[in-house]
Parts: sequence; C-alpha cells; structure tokens
Amino acid sequence: GENVGLHLPTLSVQEGDNSIINCAYSNSASDYFIWYKQESGKGPQFIIDIRSNMDKRQGQRVTVLLNKTVKHLSLQIAATQPGDSAVYFCAEYQGGSEKLVFGKGTKLTVNP
Amino acid sequence: DGGITQSPKYLFRKEGQNVTLSCEQNLNHDAMYWYRQDPGQGLRLIYYSQIVNDFQKGDIAEGYSVSREKKESFPLTVTSAQKNPTAFYLCASSIGGFYNEQFFGPGTRLTVL
Repeated sequence: GENVGLHLPTLSVQEGDNSIINCAYSNSASDYFIWYKQESGKGPQFIIDIRSNMDKRQGQRVTVLLNKTVKHLSLQIAATQPGDSAVYFCAEYQGGSEKLVFGKGTKLTVNP
Repeated sequence: DGGITQSPKYLFRKEGQNVTLSCEQNLNHDAMYWYRQDPGQGLRLIYYSQIVNDFQKGDIAEGYSVSREKKESFPLTVTSAQKNPTAFYLCASSIGGFYNEQFFGPGTRLTVL
C-alpha cells in the first residue's frame, strides 16, 4: 500500500473502544470542515462535514465537534472496529483563498 | 455505478519523460481537482477546474499541466520540468466549488526511475 502513514501522529485503540482524533486548524475565518478516511493504497473517503454555524454534528458511529474559540476540530468514532483502521484527515475551507486545506492526518490502528 | 476512476494505478517513468494521468468521473460534477500526496504530508492542490474549458493553478502547479475539454475528464500531465514527481496523485470532483464535499478517485502512484 501507499506510505501515507509514515511520520504521522498515531492513535492505537482496542476494538470496541471509542476513538477521538483531533485536528487544529489554522484559519479563524474557515467556515466549512470535512473529515476524510484514507485506507492504505486508496483515495480519501468522506466521513462527515460540519459548517461553522454548528458545534456538533453526528453521523453513523461518528461525531464531529467544532470549537471555534480554539480552532479545534475532533472526530469521535464510537465502538471502533478493525475496519476503522486508516489515516484520518481533517480539511478546512478557507474562504479567503477559496480552497480546501488538508491536515497531515492521524493514523488510527484498531487492535482486535 | 457512479464514481471517479483514475488510471493507471501504478505508473513508472524515466527521467525527462512527460506522462499523463487519467481522471474520469460520471457524477456530473462541474468541479474537478488534482492533488499530490507525499508521505507524512497533507494533500496539496496542483490544479483545479470549476467548469469546462477553464482551470486554475493550485499551490504546486509548477511542472504540471491540465486540460478540461470535457466535463467528465480532467487529465494531468507531469512534465519533465517537475523536479520531484514521484508521489501519489489523487483526482477529485465536487458538485460545486471547494465549499462542497469532494469525491476522490483511487489514486495513481507515479514513480520516476
């Protein structure tokens, strides 16, 4: 697979535990955020998004929290499964430059 | 099945050669993008196109070129001017511009020998 996991922050959890992946974003004017999941050798896959007029948004087994005061985004995965093992990226839409800026990612490993 | 396809999955090239990476989508999306991914780094934008026959440079456009003659297709050419072309290349598309979810293809791994 691709070496997208090299030199990345890592998080290792036991199957069934909840996982929390954090992301600090850079631009206080950013108003749209996305979490992507990337498995080895594959393209990123959309998980969930949130706009800046919200603090929390829930999907299936995932919750995204947005703290605009400290420019922090988190992704919570409930009852983590081995299939959740991947690299997770946050992305912020910077309206001023009109582009999506991606973080470096966190590698999540779920131990059975 | 709707989606984005990229071909080939693996590509090898000799130094000094140009090479073109294919990206096709049948999602009827107006916008398409090319990103480069290197180990330990986030995705970096090479080029994007919000409409047919129009495209803009991203953050790292030097040594690359694109065309957008059809809505479905957004090929990327890696030219010999690109000093460090070995990387994983990802194509994406979205309904509108950047303020929308981007759907990614499976990627092309380019290795320069």
